[in-house]
Amino acid sequence: DQQVKQNSPSLSVQEGRISILNCDYTNSMFDYFLWYKKYPAEGPTFLISISSIKDKNEDGRFTVFLNKSAKHLSLHIVPSQPGDSAVYFCAASGWEKLVFGQGTRLTINP
Amino acid sequence: NAGVTQTPKFQVLKTGQSMTLQCAQDMNHNSMYWYRQDPGMGLRLIYYSASEGTTDKGEVPNGYNVSRLNKREFSLRLESAAPSQTSVYFCASSLQGKGSNQPQHFGDGTRLSIL
Repeated sequence: DQQVKQNSPSLSVQEGRISILNCDYTNSMFDYFLWYKKYPAEGPTFLISISSIKDKNEDGRFTVFLNKSAKHLSLHIVPSQPGDSAVYFCAASGWEKLVFGQGTRLTINP
Repeated sequence: NAGVTQTPKFQVLKTGQSMTLQCAQDMNHNSMYWYRQDPGMGLRLIYYSASEGTTDKGEVPNGYNVSRLNKREFSLRLESAAPSQTSVYFCASSLQGKGSNQPQHFGDGTRLSIL
């Protein structure tokens, strides 16, 4: 039973345009959501997070939106840069653990 | 500034062999975690340690054991390796686990193949 789902395994975006990565969750008890970025042969690195009491959080080019009624969050990257090419994982925090989605591979094309 | 260090980076085992994956963090974090990453599955929690002296099962603990040796080190042991345990293993740590939203910091992973 996948509690956190990223339904798009891959996404291709032109450099300079907006990248939108989506994530759905099923458990309304999750109270904190995070996005991680992963390059090949490296561990995931924390990117940005949002508390369930907010609906938006910005950090430079990265913005995370949370729609609690739809149990949906999204990560917007604008403008997209070649260095953003990586696998992005969303994660939901509840109790003592993080639950990860399957990941979306983002490719930024020149 | 090492962060989370995992050893080894690569390992090939035969079915039935045993192995211990090592993890150490230098950030004075209280909580440590072991995950496995498989294609299309994301990261799944194997075991975690909320604080020194405690360990708890995660989502996929079968076939594994862990030891929280001290605050810095958290090892993962495969007693009798099986091909289904072929995966990339990640260790992570966070300042606090229970009731906290501190981001986890990950090591670079151990790529393990079981033949």
